[in-house]
Amino acid sequence: NAGVMQNPRHLVRRRGQEARLRCSPMKGHSHVYWYRQLPEEGLKFMVYLQKENIIDESGMPKERFSAEFPKEGPSILRIQQVVRGDSAAYFCASSPRRAQGSGNEQFFGPGTRLTVL
Amino acid sequence: AQKITQTQPGMFVQEKEAVTLDCTYDTSDPSYGLFWYKQPSSGEMIFLIYQGSYDQQNATEGRYSLNFQKARKSANLVISASQLGDSAMYFCAMREGRETSGSRLTFGEGTQLTVNP
Repeated sequence: NAGVMQNPRHLVRRRGQEARLRCSPMKGHSHVYWYRQLPEEGLKFMVYLQKENIIDESGMPKERFSAEFPKEGPSILRIQQVVRGDSAAYFCASSPRRAQGSGNEQFFGPGTRLTVL
Repeated sequence: AQKITQTQPGMFVQEKEAVTLDCTYDTSDPSYGLFWYKQPSSGEMIFLIYQGSYDQQNATEGRYSLNFQKARKSANLVISASQLGDSAMYFCAMREGRETSGSRLTFGEGTQLTVNP
């Protein structure tokens, strides 16, 4: 029973390049959340998606960032023309359609550490 | 205004003693959930404990208990019999709305706990 998978675990990009982060939710989960953790800070919500729909993108920067969760395949967080300030850990979490109320509602992946040189 | 406040950037405790990590929250939603996560130096997010706003009793999970004081809007984490492996960053988080609606988590800035031998 695989958990939430993220790849790559570490990604190095030069300024101006594109970064693509992938998240495969747990089996049977149809909700995906992306969070960003800057150094020495807590996680900040970016976007919430269901299959083929963006439900809440209020935490996404207005430019260069986009996310998708297609009908087939993983969710993708895409950062175009990366800058040094994009260096952070990016976490994906998934949840089932109906959470059980036990609190273990969002299962986190191991994160992708993005370093922009 | 901060939705989740963790006032202790760092805490120290002797092995085998108990420690309380503070968390206060701010919401006008009558339905919400409070979470604690542990983030060791390896970086993954580990779910520890959950308290629903309508739960009558304080949540407990092994050595972890949540001191939920609704009127004060506080949800402090108590770790009993601290172990060296408890040394990590601890995050308090809140989900507003019912768990069945699917909703993002808002995190505090975290408390770095160090357990001394």
